Amino acid sequence: DTGVSQNPRHKITKRGQNVTFRCDPISEHNRLYWYRQTLGQGPEFLTYFQNEAQLEKSRLLSDRFSAERPKGSFSTLEIQRTEQGDSAMYLCASSAQGNTEAFFGQGTRLTVV
Amino acid sequence: GENVEQHPSTLSVQEGDSAVIKCTYSDSASNYFPWYKQELGKGPQLIIDIRSNVGEKKDQRIAVTLNKTAKHFSLHITETQPEDSAVYFCAALFSGAGSYQLTFGKGTKLSVIP
Repeated sequence: DTGVSQNPRHKITKRGQNVTFRCDPISEHNRLYWYRQTLGQGPEFLTYFQNEAQLEKSRLLSDRFSAERPKGSFSTLEIQRTEQGDSAMYLCASSAQGNTEAFFGQGTRLTVV
Repeated sequence: GENVEQHPSTLSVQEGDSAVIKCTYSDSASNYFPWYKQELGKGPQLIIDIRSNVGEKKDQRIAVTLNKTAKHFSLHITETQPEDSAVYFCAALFSGAGSYQLTFGKGTKLSVIP
Protein backbone atom coordinates (compact mmCIF):
# COMPACT_ATOMS: atom_id res chain seq x y z
CA ASP A 1 0.00 0.00 0.00
CA THR A 2 1.60 3.27 -1.08
CA GLY A 3 -0.87 5.63 0.58
CA VAL A 4 -0.39 7.78 3.67
CA SER A 5 -0.02 5.58 6.73
CA GLN A 6 -0.89 6.65 10.28
CA ASN A 7 -0.28 4.85 13.55
CA PRO A 8 -1.90 4.06 15.83
CA ARG A 9 -5.43 4.04 14.41
CA HIS A 10 -6.96 4.48 17.84
CA LYS A 11 -5.58 5.78 21.13
CA ILE A 12 -7.31 6.05 24.48
CA THR A 13 -5.43 7.96 27.13
CA LYS A 14 -6.06 9.44 30.54
CA ARG A 15 -6.18 13.17 30.95
CA GLY A 16 -2.75 14.58 31.68
CA GLN A 17 -0.83 11.87 29.81
CA ASN A 18 1.35 12.51 26.78
CA VAL A 19 0.62 10.86 23.43
CA THR A 20 2.55 10.62 20.18
CA PHE A 21 1.22 9.81 16.72
CA ARG A 22 3.19 8.84 13.64
CA CYS A 23 2.57 9.60 9.97
CA ASP A 24 4.36 8.06 7.00
CA PRO A 25 3.59 10.08 3.84
CA ILE A 26 3.39 8.82 0.30
CA SER A 27 6.89 8.05 -0.87
CA GLU A 28 8.68 11.07 -2.36
CA HIS A 29 5.99 13.52 -1.23
CA ASN A 30 7.97 16.38 0.27
CA ARG A 31 5.00 18.18 1.84
CA LEU A 32 3.28 16.83 4.93
CA TYR A 33 0.28 18.25 6.77
CA TRP A 34 -1.47 17.62 10.07
CA TYR A 35 -5.17 18.33 10.49
CA ARG A 36 -7.60 17.79 13.35
CA GLN A 37 -11.22 16.76 12.84
CA THR A 38 -13.90 16.77 15.53
CA LEU A 39 -17.27 15.07 15.20
CA GLY A 40 -19.52 16.68 12.61
CA GLN A 41 -16.87 19.14 11.44
CA GLY A 42 -14.48 19.41 8.55
CA PRO A 43 -10.74 18.95 9.08
CA GLU A 44 -8.92 21.94 10.59
CA PHE A 45 -5.35 22.74 9.64
CA LEU A 46 -2.70 22.35 12.36
CA THR A 47 0.71 22.50 10.70
CA TYR A 48 2.66 21.89 7.50
CA PHE A 49 6.16 20.68 6.65
CA GLN A 50 8.16 21.01 3.48
CA ASN A 51 10.85 18.39 3.78
CA GLU A 52 12.09 18.73 7.38
CA ALA A 53 11.16 22.41 7.75
CA GLN A 54 7.97 23.30 9.61
CA LEU A 55 6.73 26.24 7.55
CA GLU A 56 3.26 26.96 8.84
CA LYS A 57 1.48 26.55 12.17
CA SER A 58 -2.14 27.25 13.05
CA ARG A 59 -3.12 29.10 16.20
CA LEU A 60 -4.91 25.84 17.07
CA LEU A 61 -1.47 24.35 17.71
CA SER A 62 -1.04 25.30 21.36
CA ASP A 63 2.27 24.97 23.18
CA ARG A 64 1.18 21.50 24.33
CA PHE A 65 1.40 20.32 20.72
CA SER A 66 4.66 19.69 18.90
CA ALA A 67 5.28 18.21 15.49
CA GLU A 68 8.52 17.04 13.96
CA ARG A 69 9.76 15.66 10.68
CA PRO A 70 13.45 15.16 11.42
CA LYS A 71 14.61 13.54 8.20
CA GLY A 72 11.98 14.86 5.85
CA SER A 73 10.23 11.50 5.71
CA PHE A 74 7.88 10.39 8.52
CA SER A 75 6.45 12.87 11.00
CA THR A 76 5.34 12.69 14.63
CA LEU A 77 2.74 14.75 16.44
CA GLU A 78 3.01 14.86 20.23
CA ILE A 79 0.40 16.18 22.60
CA GLN A 80 1.57 16.82 26.14
CA ARG A 81 -0.70 16.93 29.20
CA THR A 82 -3.73 15.84 27.20
CA GLU A 83 -7.11 17.42 27.93
CA GLN A 84 -10.60 16.12 27.14
CA GLY A 85 -10.90 18.80 24.47
CA ASP A 86 -8.04 17.14 22.59
CA SER A 87 -10.31 14.20 21.75
CA ALA A 88 -10.56 14.20 17.96
CA MET A 89 -9.40 12.49 14.80
CA TYR A 90 -5.87 13.55 13.87
CA LEU A 91 -5.32 13.38 10.14
CA CYS A 92 -2.10 13.46 8.20
CA ALA A 93 -1.86 14.30 4.50
CA SER A 94 0.94 14.63 1.97
CA SER A 95 1.47 16.20 -1.43
CA ALA A 96 4.21 16.28 -4.02
CA GLN A 97 6.44 19.23 -4.88
CA GLY A 98 4.63 21.68 -7.13
CA ASN A 99 1.28 19.94 -6.61
CA THR A 100 -1.62 21.10 -4.46
CA GLU A 101 -3.38 17.70 -4.42
CA ALA A 102 -3.26 16.48 -0.84
CA PHE A 103 -3.88 12.82 0.03
CA PHE A 104 -5.02 11.92 3.51
CA GLY A 105 -4.31 8.94 5.71
CA GLN A 106 -6.92 7.04 7.71
CA GLY A 107 -6.30 9.14 10.79
CA THR A 108 -5.63 8.47 14.47
CA ARG A 109 -8.69 8.71 16.68
CA LEU A 110 -7.74 10.05 20.11
CA THR A 111 -10.03 9.69 23.10
CA VAL A 112 -9.02 11.42 26.32
CA VAL A 113 -10.83 10.07 29.39
CA GLY B 1 -8.53 34.22 6.75
CA GLU B 2 -10.55 32.06 4.40
CA ASN B 3 -14.06 30.94 5.35
CA VAL B 4 -15.93 28.17 3.51
CA GLU B 5 -19.67 27.64 3.86
CA GLN B 6 -21.22 24.37 2.66
CA HIS B 7 -24.87 23.50 2.02
CA PRO B 8 -26.88 21.43 2.63
CA SER B 9 -25.64 19.68 5.76
CA THR B 10 -27.67 16.57 4.90
CA LEU B 11 -29.02 15.35 1.58
CA SER B 12 -31.12 12.29 0.77
CA VAL B 13 -31.70 11.20 -2.81
CA GLN B 14 -33.18 8.17 -4.51
CA GLU B 15 -30.77 5.87 -6.27
CA GLY B 16 -30.30 7.06 -9.83
CA ASP B 17 -31.14 10.69 -9.08
CA SER B 18 -28.62 13.55 -9.07
CA ALA B 19 -27.13 15.22 -6.02
CA VAL B 20 -25.78 18.77 -5.82
CA ILE B 21 -23.70 20.22 -2.98
CA LYS B 22 -22.81 23.91 -2.91
CA CYS B 23 -20.00 25.85 -1.28
CA THR B 24 -19.11 29.51 -1.01
CA TYR B 25 -15.73 30.96 -0.07
CA SER B 26 -14.70 34.35 1.21
CA ASP B 27 -11.13 34.92 -0.02
CA SER B 28 -11.14 36.00 -3.67
CA ALA B 29 -7.46 34.99 -3.87
CA SER B 30 -8.28 31.30 -3.37
CA ASN B 31 -7.32 29.40 -6.51
CA TYR B 32 -7.69 25.68 -5.76
CA PHE B 33 -10.90 23.91 -4.77
CA PRO B 34 -10.85 20.17 -3.98
CA TRP B 35 -13.71 17.91 -2.95
CA TYR B 36 -13.25 15.02 -0.55
CA LYS B 37 -15.42 12.01 0.25
CA GLN B 38 -15.20 10.58 3.75
CA GLU B 39 -16.66 7.24 4.75
CA LEU B 40 -17.27 6.31 8.37
CA GLY B 41 -14.04 5.71 10.25
CA LYS B 42 -11.84 6.59 7.29
CA GLY B 43 -9.79 9.56 6.17
CA PRO B 44 -10.98 11.99 3.48
CA GLN B 45 -10.51 10.76 -0.09
CA LEU B 46 -9.85 13.29 -2.87
CA ILE B 47 -12.48 12.75 -5.56
CA ILE B 48 -12.17 15.79 -7.81
CA ASP B 49 -10.68 19.27 -7.79
CA ILE B 50 -10.80 22.44 -9.84
CA ARG B 51 -8.49 25.41 -10.26
CA SER B 52 -9.52 29.02 -10.65
CA ASN B 53 -8.61 29.17 -14.33
CA VAL B 54 -11.26 26.54 -15.15
CA GLY B 55 -15.05 26.88 -14.94
CA GLU B 56 -16.03 23.22 -14.99
CA LYS B 57 -14.43 19.80 -14.68
CA LYS B 58 -15.98 16.38 -15.12
CA ASP B 59 -14.88 12.88 -14.19
CA GLN B 60 -17.40 10.17 -15.10
CA ARG B 61 -20.45 10.72 -12.85
CA ILE B 62 -18.86 13.57 -10.89
CA ALA B 63 -18.55 17.18 -11.99
CA VAL B 64 -17.51 20.40 -10.30
CA THR B 65 -18.36 23.95 -11.38
CA LEU B 66 -16.74 27.17 -10.24
CA ASN B 67 -18.09 30.72 -10.37
CA LYS B 68 -15.21 33.01 -9.39
CA THR B 69 -17.30 36.17 -9.57
CA ALA B 70 -19.86 34.85 -7.10
CA LYS B 71 -17.18 32.93 -5.16
CA HIS B 72 -19.03 29.67 -5.15
CA PHE B 73 -18.41 26.17 -6.42
CA SER B 74 -20.58 23.07 -6.60
CA LEU B 75 -20.27 19.29 -6.75
CA HIS B 76 -22.66 17.41 -9.00
CA ILE B 77 -23.09 13.64 -8.78
CA THR B 78 -25.28 12.04 -11.43
CA GLU B 79 -26.87 8.57 -11.44
CA THR B 80 -26.23 8.20 -7.72
CA GLN B 81 -25.52 4.76 -6.30
CA PRO B 82 -25.73 3.46 -2.71
CA GLU B 83 -21.91 3.45 -2.52
CA ASP B 84 -21.98 7.22 -3.02
CA SER B 85 -23.41 7.50 0.51
CA ALA B 86 -20.78 9.31 2.61
CA VAL B 87 -19.87 12.74 3.97
CA TYR B 88 -18.57 15.13 1.32
CA PHE B 89 -16.34 18.09 2.12
CA CYS B 90 -15.43 21.04 -0.05
CA ALA B 91 -12.25 23.01 0.59
CA ALA B 92 -10.44 26.10 -0.66
CA LEU B 93 -6.79 27.08 -0.85
CA PHE B 94 -4.70 30.03 -1.95
CA SER B 95 -1.41 28.50 -3.01
CA GLY B 96 0.30 31.65 -4.25
CA ALA B 97 2.02 32.79 -1.06
CA GLY B 98 3.68 29.54 -0.03
CA SER B 99 0.73 28.53 2.12
CA TYR B 100 -0.84 25.13 1.66
CA GLN B 101 -3.52 25.42 4.30
CA LEU B 102 -6.80 23.92 3.10
CA THR B 103 -9.93 25.46 4.64
CA PHE B 104 -12.80 22.96 4.73
CA GLY B 105 -16.55 23.32 4.83
CA LYS B 106 -18.50 21.52 7.54
CA GLY B 107 -19.53 18.68 5.28
CA THR B 108 -22.65 17.26 3.66
CA LYS B 109 -23.94 13.84 4.65
CA LEU B 110 -25.28 12.25 1.48
CA SER B 111 -27.62 9.29 1.77
CA VAL B 112 -28.56 7.42 -1.41
CA ILE B 113 -31.73 5.40 -0.87
CA PRO B 114 -31.89 2.14 -2.86
